[in-house]
Formats: sequence, C-alpha cells, structure tokens
Amino acid sequence: GIQVEQSPPDLILQEGANSTLRCNFSDSVNNLQWFHQNPWGQLINLFYIPSGTKQNGRLSATTVATERYSLLYISSSQTTDSGVYFCAVEETSGSRLTFGEGTQLTVNP
Amino acid sequence: GAGVSQSPSNKVTEKGKDVELRCDPISGHTALYWYRQSLGQGLEFLIYFQGNSAPDKSGLPSDRFSAERTGGSVSTLTIQRTQQEDSAVYLCASSLVRTQPQHFGDGTRLSIL
Repeated sequence: GIQVEQSPPDLILQEGANSTLRCNFSDSVNNLQWFHQNPWGQLINLFYIPSGTKQNGRLSATTVATERYSLLYISSSQTTDSGVYFCAVEETSGSRLTFGEGTQLTVNP
Repeated sequence: GAGVSQSPSNKVTEKGKDVELRCDPISGHTALYWYRQSLGQGLEFLIYFQGNSAPDKSGLPSDRFSAERTGGSVSTLTIQRTQQEDSAVYLCASSLVRTQPQHFGDGTRLSIL
C-alpha cells in the first residue's frame, strides 16, 4: 500500500513564529487532506487539496502531486494551534484514506 | 445535528463481551468511514460505506469486527468477544461523496479490562 511520511515528527514553537510541515507520499493519489487533532482528540479537516495551493486565514497548503509531496504552512502561530497535524491520502486505486504518523506541534506562549 | 455524532463517548467493558458503537453522519452524506486510533498512533482505516453497501471492508482486523449501515444513514460497528488489544478510540467520518472532505465525530473511547 501507499506510504505516507510526515516531518518533522515533533515541533516546538514560540507564539508568533511561522512553520512548515511536510507530507511525502509514495504513489499517485486521488486526494490529499490535512487534519488537525486538538489536545481533546477532536479531528478537524483543514484542507482538501489534491493539487495546487489553498489558504484559510493563517494556514495555507500546497500539494505538488507530480512530485508526491504536500506542505502545510502555519503563520503567526498561536497556542491554540497546538496538537497533532495529520496528512492523509487516498490512492488512485482505492477508496480509503491512509494517514501519516502526524506532526506533534506545541506552541508556547 | 450539524456534525457527525458518535455514541457512546466512552465504553468500558470486560474482555470477552460484545460491544456496539454507533455513528450518525452529517445529514445527506452518502459516504461513511470507520477508523481506529490506538494510543499515540495515527489513524487506521477499518471500513467504508457508500450508501448501505460496504465496497471496502478490507481494514477490519478480524472476523470479530463487523459493521452495517441502514437507510443510508446511521452505522453501527460491532466487536464480538472483545480482546484487550481492541482498546482504542474508534472514529467515524462522513463525506458528501467519496471524493469530498471527510468530517469526523468525536470518537468512542473503548477500554477493555
């Protein structure tokens, strides 16, 4: 099956800093989604982004499908951004989402 | 409701008992998914429903696990003869159709004693 690798595994920031999270995948995909799991365990869909660039407030994402990677940018980070960020992809041959192991982000005040 | 609803939110049971977990998707969403998240781990796909049928049930870890969906809406995941390794958070997601963003419920935290 498809492999999804996220980096870095852990990231600690001071409030106000910017960061870039990366997701590499090993095969062609139908779609790619970024999720944020907050400290209470709730999973929030951030972006549905099989290709191109999208922005939502302080967050933006870019997927380069031909090179099999996606980037999630967080600008002017806030303590509420803390949690785990997951990248998930759907293979062209399937219907399931395969999740990466996540990036654990801690934003300190 | 506005979001995906799961019940119960927590379930503690003894090894060997059967459990049923319920998922009520967002109204109008035809695609429904079950995932499992063990402590500190990523999400593991279990099963996908399109309407009432399950085109992909390849993620179910053993024949003790089964799921159904009736009326194209509510789904139940049943685990028979529970084992300690079944302890995890079971998450349900729905999407308008398969190729659209998935929206998750808050999960059921299952603990097997």
